[in-house]
Order: sequence, then C-alpha cells, then structure tokens
Amino acid sequence: DVVMTQSPLSLSVTLGQPASISCRSSQSFVHSDGNTYLNWFHQRPGQSPRRLIYKVSNRDSGVPDRFSGSGSGTDFTLKISRVEAEDVGLYYCMQGTHWPWTFGQGTKVEIK
Amino acid sequence: QVQLVESGGGVVQPGGSLRLSCIASGFSFRIYAMHWVRQAPGRGLEWVACMNFDGSDIQYVDSVKARFTISRDNSKNTLYLQVNSLRPEDTAVYYCVRDAFGSLDSWGQGVLLTVSS
Repeated sequence: DVVMTQSPLSLSVTLGQPASISCRSSQSFVHSDGNTYLNWFHQRPGQSPRRLIYKVSNRDSGVPDRFSGSGSGTDFTLKISRVEAEDVGLYYCMQGTHWPWTFGQGTKVEIK
Repeated sequence: QVQLVESGGGVVQPGGSLRLSCIASGFSFRIYAMHWVRQAPGRGLEWVACMNFDGSDIQYVDSVKARFTISRDNSKNTLYLQVNSLRPEDTAVYYCVRDAFGSLDSWGQGVLLTVSS
C-alpha cells in the first residue's frame, strides 16, 4: 500500500498568517493516464470532510483562492496564504491512484 | 444539489451483520463510481470500498475483504454496504462518497456503526 505521511500533525497559526502542510508518499503514484491523483480534504469539527484540491493543484468550486496545492513525485504541499477562523479543523491528503486508496494521518489546524 | 443520505447504522454485537444504505439525489447516480470511507471515533479517515458505475469493478481495503460487500441499485439511486462478521475495530462513522475526477468529491453526513457486546 502507498503510505501517506503528513507533517506537521498539529499546527497553531495566527489569523492572517500563512500555513503549510506537507504530505509525502512512500512511492510515486502517477496513474497510467498520466494524472497524479493527490487530493486534499478539510474536516471541520463535527462535520463530514470536504474536498479542497484534486489532482495535486486543482481547487474545487467554492474553495477560496487562499488555498493552493502543489508538488510532484512523492512530495506534496497544501498552502493557506492567510489563515481565517473558518480554516480550523483537520486536513487530510489522499492518493487515489493505487488500490487501496490511502489517506495521511491528518493535520490539526488551530488558531493561536 | 448533490445529496447523499446514509442510513442503517446502529449497535451490533461482535460477529453480527448489518446493511448500510446511501440514497443519492441531485445528480445522475448511474454514471458515477461510489465509495465507502470510514472514520473510527477520534481517528483519521480510512477508505473502505469502491464500486464503479455499473458494478463491474469492485475494490476493497484488505481489512474488510470477505466480510464486507459493496453493491448498488441504479434504479433506486442507492448504494449499499453489507457488513458481516463485525469486529470492534469496525466501529466507525461510515461515509458514502461520490467519485468525480478520480477523487472523493461529495460526502454524505455519515452513519455510525458501533460493534460492541
């Protein structure tokens, strides 16, 4: 299985400041169709997860442009340019290329 | 808008069985692959199973193979997960999720399955 490792596991950020979460995979996962199915999800307390980013860097509809995804190979990053109060919660990366699909452990973001 | 509503959860004894259901609305259910993802209390997300649009391709995580069965009825816009031989470690919120762009784009509110004697 592809192991997804996130860091840090916890992040305390001042409102308006940037934040960055790293996601590293145990192997490359470029699909035979040429796409890298690396996704980012946000889960607020008590809510279902919501997808933010798909295929490394594509923002979902309605996701603020302060969120951006980047990376390649085995090294990926989610960046929040200016953290807002609504950004608190857990963030998960996930690979959707190889079965079984696998998630990172999650990164908890809180406001300092 | 896309809606996924799970049901069928509850408390089951170890070794027991249950069937989870997910009714979809707001989109053409029959053309989408669908997944089940679970989250144990206080834990992270775990992908469980996937079925493609017509049921011809099915995948499971190893820990549930031979115990869980994913299925769908496109005439009823409904996804199912039959869970058998339940273990305490199967206790989790189970989410029904749509697959778009090779990823999990729309999630239900989840249904809690508790395995306990």
